[in-house]
Amino acid sequence: GQQLNQSPQSMFIQEGEDVSMNCTSSSIFNTWLWYKQDPGEGPVLLIALYKAGELTSNGRLTAQFGITRKDSFLNISASIPSDVGIYFCAGPYSTYYGGSQGNLIFGKGTKLSVKP
Amino acid sequence: DAGVIQSPRHEVTEMGQEVTLRCKPISGHDYLFWYRQTMMRGLELLIYFNNNVPIDDSGMPEDRFSAKMPNASFSTLKIQPSEPRDSAVYFCASSAPGHWNTEAFFGQGTRLTVV
Repeated sequence: GQQLNQSPQSMFIQEGEDVSMNCTSSSIFNTWLWYKQDPGEGPVLLIALYKAGELTSNGRLTAQFGITRKDSFLNISASIPSDVGIYFCAGPYSTYYGGSQGNLIFGKGTKLSVKP
Repeated sequence: DAGVIQSPRHEVTEMGQEVTLRCKPISGHDYLFWYRQTMMRGLELLIYFNNNVPIDDSGMPEDRFSAKMPNASFSTLKIQPSEPRDSAVYFCASSAPGHWNTEAFFGQGTRLTVV
């Protein structure tokens, strides 16, 4: 079945640093989504990508839809303390791989923490 | 709009008891999803509805789990009987028409602890 692999699993940031994380799959996705989850809250959509090669920004966040359609990247520039949380990539299951329309698959997440 | 509303926020119950989680989706949304989140397995889709009709319940772990959506503004997820391995955060999410595969709005979740 389809799976999304995120890396790194966790990372520590210092305020002002740029952050990069990625999401890969062995199968093709036609949509890539990036969500952020704050402690005690549900995930919130940050960026949606619909076209291979697409580069989209949302404030200090920039995400790219890989040309192969098997990967996506999320960058955060000049990080601030409120950037901590868990970042998930997600995409819709494909009926080609046995999924059903309406079903989103999520990666395991990249946890961002503040350097002690 | 208040967003997706889930209740209760926290539930502690004894093994064998029945647990009912509740969800009110965003008004006008026609897709409703129930997810479970654990450290080991991450976010897993349990079941989803479209226009109040269950479409795919293949993620429901076993017969102890059931979900209903009697109308467009209310859904329940029931576990009977509950077991310690059911402990997790359960999220409800909804999507607007035409956006089933993109922007799912999540509630704050119900943290279930079965002792």
